[in-house]
Amino acid sequence: DAGVTQSPTHLIKTRGQQVTLRCSPKSGHDTVSWYQQALGQGPQFIFQYYEEEERQRGNFPDRFSGHQFPNYSSELNVNALLLGDSALYLCASSWAPGSGGVTDTQYFGPGTRLTVL
Amino acid sequence: AQSVTQLDSHVSVSEGTPVLLRCNYSSSYSPSLFWYVQHPNKGLQLLLKYTSAATLVKGINGFEAEFKKSETSFHLTKPSAHMSDAAEYFCVVRPSSNTGKLIFGQGTTLQVKP
Repeated sequence: DAGVTQSPTHLIKTRGQQVTLRCSPKSGHDTVSWYQQALGQGPQFIFQYYEEEERQRGNFPDRFSGHQFPNYSSELNVNALLLGDSALYLCASSWAPGSGGVTDTQYFGPGTRLTVL
Repeated sequence: AQSVTQLDSHVSVSEGTPVLLRCNYSSSYSPSLFWYVQHPNKGLQLLLKYTSAATLVKGINGFEAEFKKSETSFHLTKPSAHMSDAAEYFCVVRPSSNTGKLIFGQGTTLQVKP
């Protein structure tokens, strides 16, 4: 049973560029959440997608956007990259047993390390 | 506001001795609480979770945690440390039942000496 997968593993961009990160959830999961983990810090919640809609969002600017596809996979897009966007981006998947996309246990992928120069 | 405080940024133990990683939380509602572990260059692995059932929660690899509402604590323990336990540990709260957002502590680095 494949767990959560993310691509690419590493990425180097320059300031002002745009980046797209990808995530495939664990089999049977329908909800994807994205987190940003700066060096030496705990992960911070960016947003969560359920039924192809953004259901909840953390304190991140509109430069951060996402998408969820019918097969539950997801993309995170970041526009106009800043040096401060350099971080490990983690995707987590979970299953919403009821309505509203509220889930319990989230399972994390290995992350994408983004470096902005 | 909901928050998590890990009281030690770094804990060092000798192999075979007990481990105690401390966590206090702040939540207006009945929270779900988790401990995750992150090995270098790896993703986060769930160790255990508390979701209002038994207050003593057993997890993987011999870890357990006790939920104490009166002290708003959720400390992680293990009777005997192993070299492979060296990693970063995160205490995490899901503040209420109607949110999918997880709030992470700053992390505790566990060093295990031979």
